[in-house]
Order: sequence, then C-alpha cells, then structure tokens
Amino acid sequence: NAGVMQNPRHLVRRRGQEARLRCSPMKGHSHVYWYRQLPEEGLKFMVYLQKENIIDESGMPKERFSAEFPKEGPSILRIQQVVRGDSAAYFCASSPRQGTYEQYFGPGTRLTVT
Amino acid sequence: DQQVKQNSPSLSVQEGRISILNCDYTNSMFDYFLWYKKYPAEGPTFLISISSIKDKNEDGRFTVFLNKSAKHLSLHIVPSQPGDSAVYFCAASGGANNLFFGTGTRLTVIP
Repeated sequence: NAGVMQNPRHLVRRRGQEARLRCSPMKGHSHVYWYRQLPEEGLKFMVYLQKENIIDESGMPKERFSAEFPKEGPSILRIQQVVRGDSAAYFCASSPRQGTYEQYFGPGTRLTVT
Repeated sequence: DQQVKQNSPSLSVQEGRISILNCDYTNSMFDYFLWYKKYPAEGPTFLISISSIKDKNEDGRFTVFLNKSAKHLSLHIVPSQPGDSAVYFCAASGGANNLFFGTGTRLTVIP
C-alpha cells in the first residue's frame, strides 16, 4: 500500500486518558500535516512537520496536544487528558517536498471520547 | 473566521448532466486552490487544482474555474456519474504550509 497510512482507524478513550494517533506518509514523502474535522465542518489545519522538526504548529491547541515526526517511524499526534470536545476525525496528509501544494490524505482516525 | 466558504451544503444532479460546485474565499493572499472529494469513512482524495495565475484547468470530466476579482472558484463535472456522489471540499493555500478548507458540499448524482 503506497498511500498514507493511519492507525488506529477508530479509537475510544475515556475522559482524562491519553490518545496516540499514528501516521505513516506516502513513500518518498517527508512532509506531514495533521488536520482535525469536527462534525459538519471542514478540515482544520493543526500542525506541519518534517522529519525531526515542527515547521508550523499554529493550528494546534496550546495545551494537551503535541506532535512529532521522528527520524525513524511514523508521525505521532498525542492528546493528553482527552475531553469530550476532542471527539473528531483526525486526518494526516503528506507531500513530497516543500512548496508542493497538493497534499495526499490518509483514511483518518475517528476519536471518540466517552 | 472561515476564509474559504462553500455556501451550498448539498446539491442533487441527474446522471449525465453537469454538476457545478461553488466556493468563495476572502483572503487575497491565497495563490493556489484545490478540490478534494471525500467518501464516508475515508480521507479526502485530491481531484484537481489551479494556480492563481490561471483562470481554468481541465482534467477529463473535471474543470475548475477561478475568478480572482470575485474571489470565487467553481468545479464543473460533466457528465456527472453516480460514482461522483460524495462530499466535495474546496481548499486554498497561501504558502504551502497548510490548506484552508471549506465546509464541503454533498453531491448526489441521481441515476
């Protein structure tokens, strides 16, 4: 599968637990973006990463949310102490290089906080 | 602050006819525009894009038109097919770091 991979596809967490969402970009892509989609809304940008660097995190909530893209392995979006308002679909996208406008999306992780 | 707007939440079209999906934007710094198609429980799939230096881009049954003075773009699908039924998102970029998405238009193509 040469596409963007995300896991898990569905994640259920109780309030106060931690959620870890993983994203493996397309082969040859070194730029990763995370977006969040709330019900009945469009996708909202959260963070843009390259390997070992956060380039733009202007869309990330200031608390409880963090992201990383290590030298080896997938990109991780981490949400600590989840609340019901964090319930959403989280999409990862990748692109091959800076200056490329087209981003290719994974299938998303649907997070439900109970 | 919604910088990209899709004012029609839904659109129904007969198979074989033209589908026209509209999108407006407010930020004059946007220089690249994209359309994505999304099926339920899947991620958005890139369809077609246009640079702000052009006013039209065509790819098979899909054509995107850009009117910079009106800050308006549209996606034309002709002929429409039942498999085109999906949610269509308009997106815009001002620097390739991130995309600004509209809220989507649900297209239903009636056989």
